[in-house]
Amino acid sequence: NAGVTQTPKFQVLKTGQSMTLQCAQDMNHNSMYWYRQDPGMGLRLIYYSASEGTTDKGEVPNGYNVSRLNKREFSLRLESAAPSQTSVYFCASSRPPNLGETQYFGPGTRLLVL
Amino acid sequence: AQSVTQLGSHVSVSEGALVLLRCNYSSSVPPYLFWYVQYPNQGLQLLLKYTTGATLVKGINGFEAEFKKSETSFHLTKPSAHMSDAAEYFCAVSDRIQGAQKLVFGQGTRLTINP
Repeated sequence: NAGVTQTPKFQVLKTGQSMTLQCAQDMNHNSMYWYRQDPGMGLRLIYYSASEGTTDKGEVPNGYNVSRLNKREFSLRLESAAPSQTSVYFCASSRPPNLGETQYFGPGTRLLVL
Repeated sequence: AQSVTQLGSHVSVSEGALVLLRCNYSSSVPPYLFWYVQYPNQGLQLLLKYTTGATLVKGINGFEAEFKKSETSFHLTKPSAHMSDAAEYFCAVSDRIQGAQKLVFGQGTRLTINP
């Protein structure tokens, strides 16, 4: 049981390049999330998918798109990377999106945009 | 909207000393509260959570937290610090967003353990 996996672990991009961050979970969870972590700001929600077939914007969606490919996989795409998107990105998943549910996090993807 | 404030971005204690990490929340509804730990270059791991019932919650690695509604606090404690406790700790409150759950995080507290 691998839990939540993310690829790649580390990526360097030039301004304007695009890339897709991949996330998969093997816990049969319904809900999946993408967060970004910046120093002194905790984690902020970018996009989420409450269930397969649905996606919605979180707090900081500008510059990102997502795809819920199937129940297991939820990808995050940067169409034209900007230095402000330098961050650590975490994917998480949970069972039905009830308020008391635990979210399980992946190991993160460190992204540097030059 | 819910919010979380963690008092102190850095806390340093000696090995064997009490660990106290402070968290205050703002919530318009009964809160669901979480503490997560992040070791260097790793993801977040749940330490403990409060949903309903007993206000003193015990978690992994000897940590516990007490929900105090009157003080809107959920402080994390451990009686005796170990070197392995050095990490960053995040307090979070659960919020509802269009039928799903969103975690609202504090800014984090980095815990350093001195030998």
